[in-house]
Amino acid sequence: DAKTTQPPSMDCAEGRAANLPCNHSTISGNEYVYWYRQIHSQGPQYIIHGLKNNETNEMASLIITEDRKSSTLILPHATLRDTAVYYCIVRAGGTSYGKLTFGQGTILTVHP
Amino acid sequence: NAGVTQTPKFRILKIGQSMTLQCTQDMNHNYMYWYRQDPGMGLKLIYYSVGAGITDKGEVPNGYNVSRSTTEDFPLRLELAAPSQTSVYFCASRDFSGASVGTQYFGPGTRLLVL
Repeated sequence: DAKTTQPPSMDCAEGRAANLPCNHSTISGNEYVYWYRQIHSQGPQYIIHGLKNNETNEMASLIITEDRKSSTLILPHATLRDTAVYYCIVRAGGTSYGKLTFGQGTILTVHP
Repeated sequence: NAGVTQTPKFRILKIGQSMTLQCTQDMNHNYMYWYRQDPGMGLKLIYYSVGAGITDKGEVPNGYNVSRSTTEDFPLRLELAAPSQTSVYFCASRDFSGASVGTQYFGPGTRLLVL
């Protein structure tokens, strides 16, 4: 699986958009980009994933650059409950057993 | 759907004791996983299962055992507990499809303290 690089921490004001970057310059053509978050003391929560195209769901948007070497997770209107560690994971699709490798992630702090 | 449930939420064990961490999912997922997370660290895979009757080791299987007799349940057994097994344990499951290989649903975790 390709290595990912994320900033260790970010701040965001409540109600504003939170844009979390992730670099994955060695990503392969069959590898997806997944985003998870972990709120303190809870289990990781799947947010969104994508391959090439931008994706949006009820939680967030995922913007993947054309060369696929980086991506941005966007929380459009951050709330205090979005304070968490956000993990960007690159993983190939297919029928493998699907181990996820969680790195250090980005600690997002949303403040009033 | 309750999703992935884990019991107990918290447990204190003495060195040398044994216990079973329970995990149940109601999403009819084939794949199930056990991870551990030490303070300030990422998750490490202990064991996984691709279906009833099929299990395999992950990165850190020593000191643990698993079984998978049904699709729903995937218990993790600790034999001879050691302080190094103090951690938070997460169970996860996922569906079987190509794109969803990275889409795992996690339980709330079991905090284990071995003294």
